[in-house]
Amino acid sequence: DIQMTQSPASLSASLGETVSIECLASEGISNDLAWYQQKSGKSPQLLIYAASRLQDGVPSRFSGSGSGTRFSLKISGMQPEDEADYFCQQDYKYPYTFGAGTKLELK
Amino acid sequence: QVTLKESGPGKLQPSQTLSLTCTFSGSSLSTYGLGVGWIRQPSGKGLEWLTNIWWDDDKYYNPSLKSRLTISKDTSNNQAFLKITNVDTADTATYYCVRSQYYGYFDYWGQGVMVTVSS
Repeated sequence: DIQMTQSPASLSASLGETVSIECLASEGISNDLAWYQQKSGKSPQLLIYAASRLQDGVPSRFSGSGSGTRFSLKISGMQPEDEADYFCQQDYKYPYTFGAGTKLELK
Repeated sequence: QVTLKESGPGKLQPSQTLSLTCTFSGSSLSTYGLGVGWIRQPSGKGLEWLTNIWWDDDKYYNPSLKSRLTISKDTSNNQAFLKITNVDTADTATYYCVRSQYYGYFDYWGQGVMVTVSS
């Protein structure tokens, strides 16, 4: 199985601060990576697919980059509603696997 | 508008079979390139992909549970089903039904159904 390692496990950011979350794949996955946001008590929601493509309706302050084994999710200007858990997922090969998650809190 | 809704027993005992249903609306299970998947999440923990079934009835399972999983769909009623045999307390989790796009990411999620396995 492809292992997805996310970092950091948790972080806190101030309003308006730019935040980055990293995801490292145990082998090359081209650009077959998605990012999800999960708010407390809710289902995850797709933010980014194909490493850098913004899902419809997702604010433009979210962006994704990377290919191969290293990927990142950036939030340009932290907002209160961005407080959530974030997960990466590879869809390059079965079984699909997720990172362990990053908890983002507002400072 | 695409919506998915899971339904299931809520609670069951070890060794029983878990049966879950996902009811779709706003999207067809026979549309080329689309699939349905199941993902679970123990309380306070991460996400685990279980299985996918595609528009052409192709199926894929997580090898860690493959022998216990069966996914199926009823295209005419826009429903998908998951069975997990011989459940254990480790199967206690919230189970999500998801719509899968051809490339493998999940663009719509159900609200989830909580399943507790306990004697």
